[in-house]
Amino acid sequence: GQQVMQIPQYQHVQEGEDFTTYCNSSTTLSNIQWYKQRPGGHPVFLIQLVKSGEVKKQKRLTFQFGEAKKNSSLHITATQTTDVGTYFCGRGVETSGSRLTFGEGTQLTVNP
Amino acid sequence: NAGVTQTPKFQVLKTGQSMTLQCAQDMNHEYMSWYRQDPGMGLRLIHYSVGAGITDQGEVPNGYNVSRSTTEDFPLRLLSAAPSQTSVYFCASSKGQGYTIYFGEGSWLTVV
Repeated sequence: GQQVMQIPQYQHVQEGEDFTTYCNSSTTLSNIQWYKQRPGGHPVFLIQLVKSGEVKKQKRLTFQFGEAKKNSSLHITATQTTDVGTYFCGRGVETSGSRLTFGEGTQLTVNP
Repeated sequence: NAGVTQTPKFQVLKTGQSMTLQCAQDMNHEYMSWYRQDPGMGLRLIHYSVGAGITDQGEVPNGYNVSRSTTEDFPLRLLSAAPSQTSVYFCASSKGQGYTIYFGEGSWLTVV
């Protein structure tokens, strides 16, 4: 199937450092969604990107959708311990709303 | 706000046993799906439904059955449990394509 590749798989940072995870697809994406999963928890929706070159911000989080709509990134400025978790990107599959193809996720740990 | 409710939260099965994971949502969402998550891996789609009476297979459907007799409920049946089915299972629902996907809190299943 058409997959999304997410890198890195793991990232360890000191509190206060920045963090970025990337999501790449070999095909053009109609939209991309980002989710956060805390340890032992369930995925929680963060944002959806639809437009080419779109940039959205949520406080310290910045989400970008590439001009060619084949890649996306999530950047966290000045990480905090509350940012710990796994961040997933999901490629929407047309015709089915709750059917996403997910990347393998980036597991972020933040050392205080 | 119940959202997406999964039961049971934890279950231990013996190889060969059958069981049903229950999923209910109270948001009147048409689209529902089941994912499994294995350690260090992303979410893989098992089965999905775009409405009552309609189901289809995802990436990893073998060993699982689903039905959608009502909009609210989408149970996942394990026909003859195998150790390879030890995983965390997430039910999800959404209003439609491109809308936020809401996940249940997960069901931790161990097959011994």
